Amino acid sequence: DIQMTQSPSTLSASLGDRVTITCRASQTVGNWLAWYQQKPGKAPKVLIYEASTLESGVPSRFSGSGSGTEFTLTISSLQPDDFATYYCQQYKSYSFGQGTKVEIK
Amino acid sequence: QVQLVQSGAEVKKPGASVKVSCKASQYTFTDYYIHWVRQAPGQGPEWMGWINANSGTTNYAPKFQGRVTMTRNTSITTAFMDLTRLGSDDTAFYYCARGGTGLWGWANWFDPWGQGTLVTVSS
Repeated sequence: DIQMTQSPSTLSASLGDRVTITCRASQTVGNWLAWYQQKPGKAPKVLIYEASTLESGVPSRFSGSGSGTEFTLTISSLQPDDFATYYCQQYKSYSFGQGTKVEIK
Repeated sequence: QVQLVQSGAEVKKPGASVKVSCKASQYTFTDYYIHWVRQAPGQGPEWMGWINANSGTTNYAPKFQGRVTMTRNTSITTAFMDLTRLGSDDTAFYYCARGGTGLWGWANWFDPWGQGTLVTVSS
């Protein structure tokens, strides 16, 4: 089993802040890593796949980087619509991180 | 646009079974994998398994092996997930999600997702 560990679990930030979320895999997943955004009562929505490819229609303030076991999701300038929970997922065997809730400071 | 529409909420007693459906539209159903994921209240998503919508081949997470069955009906472009011997810890939202296509279609991110089906297990 590949374990995915996200940090932090909660993040308090202000509008316009640069925000970084980290995801660590217990073994290498290459670049088979996606990031999802989930809002309350809704299904997750993909933001980034293949570790750094932005899904069509996702704002360019979102970016992803990393490979192997260490990955990051960055929001360059936090907007009101970005307050949500974010999950990483490796799709070698499909496990998810436990999530990072981005809250208003 | 590509869409997955799931069946409605269910309330089941412990020991019962539940079957959730996932109707696909606006793409060639048999070209893609369908995954099932569940999410308990306040928890992260948990992958349950996939079905190749063309061949019907399945791959289940070890945790659910023996208790889950994934099927599909290509004539109505619908996938199904059947979970038996329900317990209170099976209370969760259950989602279907489209995977990839082709030979490596199993190794793909999930997009889009269905709207989710709440399954509540309570005596």
